Amino acid sequence: AIRMTQSPSSFSASTGDRVTITCRASQAISSYLAWYQQKPGKAPKLLIYAASTLQSGVPSRFSGSGSGTDFTLTISCLQSEDFATYYCQQYYSYPFTFGPGTKVDVK
Amino acid sequence: EVQLLESGGGLVQPGGSLRLSCAASGFAFSSYAMSWVRQAPGKGLEWVSAISGSGGSTYYADSVKGRFSISRDNSENTLYLQMNSLRAEDTAVYYCTKHVDGHPDDYWGQGTLVTVSS
Repeated sequence: AIRMTQSPSSFSASTGDRVTITCRASQAISSYLAWYQQKPGKAPKLLIYAASTLQSGVPSRFSGSGSGTDFTLTISCLQSEDFATYYCQQYYSYPFTFGPGTKVDVK
Repeated sequence: EVQLLESGGGLVQPGGSLRLSCAASGFAFSSYAMSWVRQAPGKGLEWVSAISGSGGSTYYADSVKGRFSISRDNSENTLYLQMNSLRAEDTAVYYCTKHVDGHPDDYWGQGTLVTVSS
């Protein structure tokens, strides 16, 4: 199975900050990568698929990049509603696998 | 409007069985692959299983292979997850979710809680 790692595991940030989260796959997955946001007690929300394609309705401050094994999620100007946990997921091959998550909280 | 509604969760003893259901509406159910994803209390997301639109292809995480079985009834627009030989580590909220064009879609159920405990 393809193993996904994320860094950092958590960090504190302030509203207005530019935030970058990294995801790495244990083998090349082309661009078959999705990013999700999850808030406590809620189902995950798809932000980005195909590594860089913004899901409909997702604010443009979110962006994704990368291919192969290394990917990033960037939030250009953090808003209060963006404090949450973020997960990457590869869907290049089954079993699909998620990263362990990155929690973004208030500094 | 796409809706996914899970049911069937509850408390079960170790070694027991449970069948989860996911009732789908608002889209051509048989045209889309579906997945189950779970989340243990306070933990991250874990992909569990997926099934093709026709039901002819199924896939499992190593952690559930041989114990869980995914299926679907396209005439009833319902997805199932049969869970046998349950263990404490299977305790989680189980979500069903939809695929589209080969990638995850942004439709998830509200989740159903499975608790495995004596």
